[in-house]
Amino acid sequence: DTAVSQTPKYLVTQMGNDKSIKCEQNLGHDTMYWYKQDSKKFLKIMFSYNNKELIINETVPNRFSPKSPDKAHLNLHINSLELGDSAVYFCASSLGTITNEQFFGPGTRLTVL
Amino acid sequence: LAKTTQPISMDSYEGQEVNITCSHNNIATNDYITWYQQFPSQGPRFIIQGYKTKVTNEVASLFIPADRKSSTLSLPRVSLSDTAVYYCLVGDVTGRRALTFGSGTRLQVQP
Repeated sequence: DTAVSQTPKYLVTQMGNDKSIKCEQNLGHDTMYWYKQDSKKFLKIMFSYNNKELIINETVPNRFSPKSPDKAHLNLHINSLELGDSAVYFCASSLGTITNEQFFGPGTRLTVL
Repeated sequence: LAKTTQPISMDSYEGQEVNITCSHNNIATNDYITWYQQFPSQGPRFIIQGYKTKVTNEVASLFIPADRKSSTLSLPRVSLSDTAVYYCLVGDVTGRRALTFGSGTRLQVQP
């Protein structure tokens, strides 16, 4: 059983489109995250949710909107996609705070043309 | 926010012990030190975490000196499958400050 899953694995789209990436965890964790890893491999946190409450919201354009329908899901919706949004997006979860062991999903490679 | 500095890359041979050092000069009292491993096209994977002195698990050891301004991840007897990028992070226990993944150390293990 996959602990943290993301869909889709690959996403190719045109500039200006709106897209969503879904994340689900079956670990019973109460905290979920979205990270962006750019072409230089820097991994930066975007959002953190604890029990469906936004905890961390780094400097991310408001075109990015996370949505947590329940503790097991944290979806990422991106409006008006730009070329610079091309990256690999990782979802992660942990029990408790961000300091605890985080379990990462396989990533979604987003390519904006 | 505690910034970390690691070597960009390291090379080793199978069977050797590898030590990767991370500097975190402005680590705060409440900060823990965590190491993650990332293989190509995969998400990072937790290796080990510590606060001070030495921590050991089935995969690695983590050495933290008394001043906590640095830490060393020790991988005993590496194999080819240990070729990966290793990230050092520091973060506070409250969880309300974002952890920062640095650029990581790319470890290449040769046969």
